Amino acid sequence: QKEVEQDPGPLSVPEGAIVSLNCTYSNSAFQYFMWYRQYSRKGPELLMYTYSSGNKEDGRFTAQVDKSSKYISLFIRDSQPSDSATYLCAMGASYGKLTFGQGTILTVHP
Amino acid sequence: DGGITQSPKYLFRKEGQNVTLSCEQNLNHDAMYWYRQDPGQGLRLIYYSQIVNDFQKGDIAEGYSVSREKKESFPLTVTSAQKNPTAFYLCASRDRQGPLYEQYFGPGTRLTVT
Repeated sequence: QKEVEQDPGPLSVPEGAIVSLNCTYSNSAFQYFMWYRQYSRKGPELLMYTYSSGNKEDGRFTAQVDKSSKYISLFIRDSQPSDSATYLCAMGASYGKLTFGQGTILTVHP
Repeated sequence: DGGITQSPKYLFRKEGQNVTLSCEQNLNHDAMYWYRQDPGQGLRLIYYSQIVNDFQKGDIAEGYSVSREKKESFPLTVTSAQKNPTAFYLCASRDRQGPLYEQYFGPGTRLTVT
């Protein structure tokens, strides 16, 4: 069983839809939770990060962590075609090492 | 401009040949990482280095080697022992004193071995 599981999709939604991306994990030691966005043939860029259970909002993006269920989510409101990318969840426990999910391919069509 | 550069962007090699991928950063970061990305598998850690002249194996180090002779450089050699070398390779760096989430990625090198 992988430490981090992420549904690879692909996910296709119309412009303006609310998108929900999710990851589950098995390692209780994970303390840091990140979401990266990766456009085609580019390196990932950090979108959001959280340390603890609860919600964190940044514009159209909301990151949610539920440590009791070992479940994290990223919500995108009013999705735009420019949001089309691969979204990777990542988690960290020990110093300097991150564990990534498989990535979800998202397409937002006009 | 500060950042991470990886070269070349695309690399083609014949099976049985070793190949070295370049990664350079001018962010003055101590820690550097190499990841491999395959379709549907996310990023998997190959090697990482916290300081110069020191590095550790990641989850999939077999068939790879690295060196860290300079702070700004962390080259990765894909040897002929690596069974499935065709992949997208990503280099990253981080300030060792900074938060874990502040890991910056380069643009990647797509390696194709035939």
